[in-house]
Amino acid sequence: NAGVMQNPRHLVRRRGQEARLRCSPMKGHSHVYWYRQLPEEGLKFMVYLQKENIIDESGMPKERFSAEFPKEGPSILRIQQVVRGDSAAYFCASSPLPGQRGPDTQYFGPGTRLTVL
Amino acid sequence: AQSVSQHNHHVILSEAASLELGCNYSYGGTVNLFWYVQYPGQHLQLLLKYFSGDPLVKGIKGFEAEFIKSKFSFNLRKPSVQWSDTAEYFCAVPSSGSARQLTFGSGTQLTVLP
Repeated sequence: NAGVMQNPRHLVRRRGQEARLRCSPMKGHSHVYWYRQLPEEGLKFMVYLQKENIIDESGMPKERFSAEFPKEGPSILRIQQVVRGDSAAYFCASSPLPGQRGPDTQYFGPGTRLTVL
Repeated sequence: AQSVSQHNHHVILSEAASLELGCNYSYGGTVNLFWYVQYPGQHLQLLLKYFSGDPLVKGIKGFEAEFIKSKFSFNLRKPSVQWSDTAEYFCAVPSSGSARQLTFGSGTQLTVLP
């Protein structure tokens, strides 16, 4: 039973290039979350998606960042024209449909470590 | 919006010492609380969670946490730590009552000396 998969694990980009980060949720999970972890900080929420639908993108920077979760295939976090400040670990989490008690438990992937030169 | 604070940024213990990591949350109605652990170079793993009921929650690897409503706290404890517990520990809470996304504390780095 595979967990949350993310690729690539490490990504190096030069300033101005595009970064594409992929996340495949756990089998049976229909909710995907993206978080960013800057050095020496905790995780910060970016965006929450269901299949073909962005539910909450309140944590996404207004420019250059976008996310999608198509009907088929992984969720993708796209960063255009990367800058050095985008260097961070980007974690994806997934959860099943909400249960009858309490919020979802989120299961995290191994993360993608983006380095912008 | 809910928030959590972790006041211990770095804790250093010797093996077999007892552990208590602090987590305080802001009041926001229904409280659901999580502790995650991140071992070096690995992804976050759920240690334990509190939704309702017994305020003393048992988790994996001998960890437990106690929800104390009067103190707005959910401290993580382990009676005897091992070198393999060296990791970063994060407390988290849903961002708001109806939200599914989590707000994380800044984390506590635990170093256990052999």
